[in-house]
Amino acid sequence: AQSVSQHNHHVILSEAASLELGCNYSYGGTVNLFWYVQYPGQHLQLLLKYFSGDPLVKGIKGFEAEFIKSKFSFNLRKPSVQWSDTAEYFCAVKGADSWGKLQFGAGTQVVVTP
Amino acid sequence: DTGVSQNPRHKITKRGQNVTFRCDPISEHNRLYWYRQTLGQGPEFLTYFQNEAQLEKSRLLSDRFSAERPKGSFSTLEIQRTEQGDSAMYLCASSSSTPSGPSTDTQYFGPGTRLTVL
Repeated sequence: AQSVSQHNHHVILSEAASLELGCNYSYGGTVNLFWYVQYPGQHLQLLLKYFSGDPLVKGIKGFEAEFIKSKFSFNLRKPSVQWSDTAEYFCAVKGADSWGKLQFGAGTQVVVTP
Repeated sequence: DTGVSQNPRHKITKRGQNVTFRCDPISEHNRLYWYRQTLGQGPEFLTYFQNEAQLEKSRLLSDRFSAERPKGSFSTLEIQRTEQGDSAMYLCASSSSTPSGPSTDTQYFGPGTRLTVL
C-alpha cells in the first residue's frame, strides 16, 4: 500500500532562515511526486512536481525539491524563507503508470516569524 | 477565473440530514477527483471519474456517500443521513489527459466545501 510520511508537523523559523521539509514515501513502482502548499484561507496549490529526469526540480516562489530514489525521499527546500511562506505544505505521491488518487502526507505547518 | 470551483463553500447541517456538494472542474479536464480532509491530516482520496464513468472508489466512501458526473462536466457528491464524523473539508480536483499519459498527470484543486454536522 502507498504511504507518505512527513517528518515534521510544525516548523517555526525566522525570515531569511533556510527551510527543509522531509518527505518519505512507500510505493512499489515508479512514482510521480508532488508538493502542494495551502496558504491561510486559500486552496491547495501546486508548488512543484517530479515526473522523471533531473531529480532536482524547481518550483514556484524559489522552492526546490530533490528526489532521492534510493532513500524514497522527496525533500522540499528553500534557501531563505519569507513571512509570506507561512503555510501548510503537503507532500503527495502517485503511481506513474496509473491515473488516479494522490496519496498525501499529513502536512507540515510552517510559521515564519518576521 | 478558470480554476476548479466548488459550491457551497460552507455547509452546516444537523445530523441525519442529506447534503449535496457541487464541483465544476477546469474546462476540458476529463478527470475529476473527490477528497476529504480533516483537521491535521492531508487530503484522503474518496473517488475518481474519467468523463462520466466512476472508475475508483475508496473504502472511505460508505454507502451513505454517492457521487455522480452525469454529463462528464460538473460533479455532485451527496451524503445521506449525515453523521458528526462526516464533518470535514471536501475537496475536488481535476486533471486532463496528456499525450504522455498518466506519468505526467497533475491534479488541480478547488477551494473545498467545509461541512459541519451538528
